[in-house]
Amino acid sequence: DAGVIQSPRHEVTEMGQEVTLRCKPISGHDYLFWYRQTMMRGLELLIYFNNNVPIDDSGMPEDRFSAKMPNASFSTLKIQPSEPRDSAVYFCASSLRGHNEQFFGPGTRLTVL
Amino acid sequence: SQQGEEDPQALSIQEGENATMNCSYKTSINNLQWYRQNSGRGLVHLILIRSNEREKHSGRLRVTLDTSKKSSSLLITASRAADTASYFCATVVEELVFGTGTRLLVSP
Repeated sequence: DAGVIQSPRHEVTEMGQEVTLRCKPISGHDYLFWYRQTMMRGLELLIYFNNNVPIDDSGMPEDRFSAKMPNASFSTLKIQPSEPRDSAVYFCASSLRGHNEQFFGPGTRLTVL
Repeated sequence: SQQGEEDPQALSIQEGENATMNCSYKTSINNLQWYRQNSGRGLVHLILIRSNEREKHSGRLRVTLDTSKKSSSLLITASRAADTASYFCATVVEELVFGTGTRLLVSP
C-alpha cells in the first residue's frame, strides 16, 4: 500500500488567496483526520470523518477553514481566504481503529505570505 | 489544547545507550500511544498501551503506564543513529491529543 497520500507537499501563497489541500487515505480505512502542526501550538486536531461523515469539527479554527470528504478515497481541506497565521504543516491521517494507530501522510507545508 | 507534557524536551545520547522519555497527562484516559516523527516527515505509530495495562514491549521499545500518577515512559534500548527523531505521546479520551514531544539525537 502506498500509505496516506497528500498533495501538494509544499504550498506558498499570498494572503487572501484560496488554498486547497488534498488527501487520499489508505484504502479500507474508515476514519480520516486533519491535523495542523506549528512550533507554538504543536499538533492540533482540526476535524475528523468516519465513513465520509464529519464527526467533530470543533478544532477548525475559523469559518475560513472547511473540509469535505466526497468519497472514501478523497478529502480536501480548504482555507479561504488564507492568512499568514495559517502557515503550518497540515497532516492527514487515516485509521481502521478510530483514534488508535493512525497512519499519517507526509504533510503539506503551507506558507502564506 | 495539549494533554501531554513530555520530559525532557531534548535528549542527546550516543549509539548503544538507552533513551528514556517521560510523558505526563492531565485527565483519565482510555489508552496512551507513542508516535515518532522524523524531520520533515509524518508521524509513525509506535505502540499503544491501554489504561488497564502497566507495561508493554515492542522490539527495542518498552512502554510503561502509571495511571495513578498519570504518567508514561518510553524506553528505547541500544539506540541507533536511525532513532534520531521527535517522539510524541498521545492520549485518547474522546479523541487523540498529542503532547509536546521529545527531540532525541543519537550520535554515532
